[in-house]
Amino acid sequence: GAGVSQSPSNKVTEKGKDVELRCDPISGHTALYWYRQSLGQGLEFLIYFQGNSAPDKSGLPSDRFSAERTGGSVSTLTIQRTQQEDSAVYLCASSSAGLAVPYEQYFGPGTRLTVT
Amino acid sequence: DAKTTQPNSMESNEEEPVHLPCNHSTISGTDYIHWYRQLPSQGPEYVIHGFTSNVNNRMASLAIAEDRKSSTLILHRATLRDAAVYYCILRMRTGGGADGLTFGKGTHLIIQP
Repeated sequence: GAGVSQSPSNKVTEKGKDVELRCDPISGHTALYWYRQSLGQGLEFLIYFQGNSAPDKSGLPSDRFSAERTGGSVSTLTIQRTQQEDSAVYLCASSSAGLAVPYEQYFGPGTRLTVT
Repeated sequence: DAKTTQPNSMESNEEEPVHLPCNHSTISGTDYIHWYRQLPSQGPEYVIHGFTSNVNNRMASLAIAEDRKSSTLILHRATLRDAAVYYCILRMRTGGGADGLTFGKGTHLIIQP
């Protein structure tokens, strides 16, 4: 079946502009995650959605970052007033979710964001 | 999440077994041991997970120490395609079991032809 898809694959924007990154999770997966990976850095968790519950925003680096998930499926990560330090690959992942067992996460190919 | 420690890099030859160690001496009684890998220019990929017993799947085997304070990911016959960064991650069994992953620096595995 289809995996996690993300769009655009590449985005170049000017400092100060807003950007929207899109994630389409695997059909039926109730959990959705956003991560980012800066050049030479590790993967950093940003935000997590589980079904219709309020998202866990504990990893968002600043209030310029926000995310929403419509209808329990597609998610959009928005970065307002982009800064050069926002340049990174933004990865989306989805998984099934149970009450006890931590299910594996399936990652998309990422969106490479470059802020000039 | 409890912390894991892995070697920064390892090198192996093609078609030989590879043993990737992970130390997690502060593991709690509710933590699962997960392994992911990230091939160049790709998103991470799930490899395997376990709790106490050793586990096998089509990609790899996971050997877990009896005290659970360490584990070893085993690739039985490495190929060039296995060259990647391998991450050992502890995940809580409770709390919904679907929290964000905490990635460390992982082990950069180099495969020589």
